[in-house]
Amino acid sequence: SYELTQPPSVSVSPGQTARITCSGDALPRKYAYWYQQKSGQAPVLVISEDTKRASGIPERFSGSSSGTMATLTISGAQVDDEADYYCYSTVTTGSVFGGGTRLTVL
Amino acid sequence: RLHLQQSGPGLVKPSETLSLTCAVSGGSASDTDYYWGWIRQPPGKGLEWVGSFSYSGSTFYNPSLRSRISISVDLSNNQVSLNLDSVTAADTAVYFCARAGRSGNYHFAFDIWGQGTMITVSS
Repeated sequence: SYELTQPPSVSVSPGQTARITCSGDALPRKYAYWYQQKSGQAPVLVISEDTKRASGIPERFSGSSSGTMATLTISGAQVDDEADYYCYSTVTTGSVFGGGTRLTVL
Repeated sequence: RLHLQQSGPGLVKPSETLSLTCAVSGGSASDTDYYWGWIRQPPGKGLEWVGSFSYSGSTFYNPSLRSRISISVDLSNNQVSLNLDSVTAADTAVYFCARAGRSGNYHFAFDIWGQGTMITVSS
């Protein structure tokens, strides 16, 4: 079955740039999407189709993709950005989420 | 604006069938421009895609659950349903319903989510 691999955790200080990666063999041919999930809440779509910021998402969030790796970048991370982040993609047989990355901003 | 309101039993006994519903308001569950999906999250763990259904007839199920699940649309109540058979403790999770755009057989990301329903499998 298809898998997306993320680092379990990333930690930055406020104002620094946070980068969260997602690797998958199909990503050269398939879009990556990114979700933010805060404790006890439903996930929120942050980045669509590799690079498009979803409606209402601050400009400090950006996405990129190259080869088998997609990256979510948070430029000038804020304490409020502390959350779990999941990449997501679809293949011909269905959908898959990455394992998630806990972002700590402190 | 589309809104998804979930309902379900909370507690299900092992070997029984879990049934969840997701009421659609501000839109139609028969809209073939969308997939209606279910995603679950075991306590303290990550998101797992369960399956997706479009009224166009296109359906995708997680291969690990395919033998036990079915997703359908109830037009009379404008809702989407999930049935999961023969549940075990491993099926304990928060279950979310969500909507994703559709283009042909392409499934976009889930953009609108329900509030989530905690389901515990226990005798």
